[in-house]
Amino acid sequence: GQSLEQPSEVTAVEGAIVQINCTYQTSGFYGLSWYQQHDGGAPTFLSYNALDGLEETGRFSSFLSRSDSYGYLLLQELQMKDSASYFCAVPLTDSWGKLQFGAGTQVVVTP
Amino acid sequence: NAGVTQTPKFRVLKTGQSMTLLCAQDMNHEYMYWYRQDPGMGLRLIHYSVGEGTTAKGEVPDGYNVSRLKKQNFLLGLESAAPSQTSVYFCASMGENSNTGELFFGEGSRLTVL
Repeated sequence: GQSLEQPSEVTAVEGAIVQINCTYQTSGFYGLSWYQQHDGGAPTFLSYNALDGLEETGRFSSFLSRSDSYGYLLLQELQMKDSASYFCAVPLTDSWGKLQFGAGTQVVVTP
Repeated sequence: NAGVTQTPKFRVLKTGQSMTLLCAQDMNHEYMYWYRQDPGMGLRLIHYSVGEGTTAKGEVPDGYNVSRLKKQNFLLGLESAAPSQTSVYFCASMGENSNTGELFFGEGSRLTVL
């Protein structure tokens, strides 16, 4: 079966950098996605990596290494509003929308 | 532009009661999904639809039924609710020409089964 592992919680101060790691085991691989979810809110899409390397979108970057079955989300210049849960996800099959999510990493940003 | 809208947002049921959650999207998306989210866990796929009139099972389909009679709507039904179905339910949609697989989620429906 498929599985994803990510840390349950990370705490950091404003302005710091946080890296959230995600390791996965899949029968086939079609890409790694990241979603952000604030308490009581809906998950929102952050990024998607299909190929090895770093994808940068503003303060957030996502990295993938297919040979290591590993990826990470990098949050730079942390702001209080970045306090949220972050989920990595992989497609269950070659259908992108059928995602298997990790359990989520809660990021707590302190002043 | 409302995006993905779910109704109701909150509901309390007694064991054995039935109910339907409605999801509506105004983005003309072909694909729609129902996920559930439990504390300390990621989202798990219940059922999904790749187009009007089609539905398929996801990871955790037992105890749920779905229908997609119109492209913009995706209904999730619980015929006989059980306490194990207490959860937050999220509907999502995706365009068929998406290059990133980005899912657009509704705000969630919090269901409690007593």
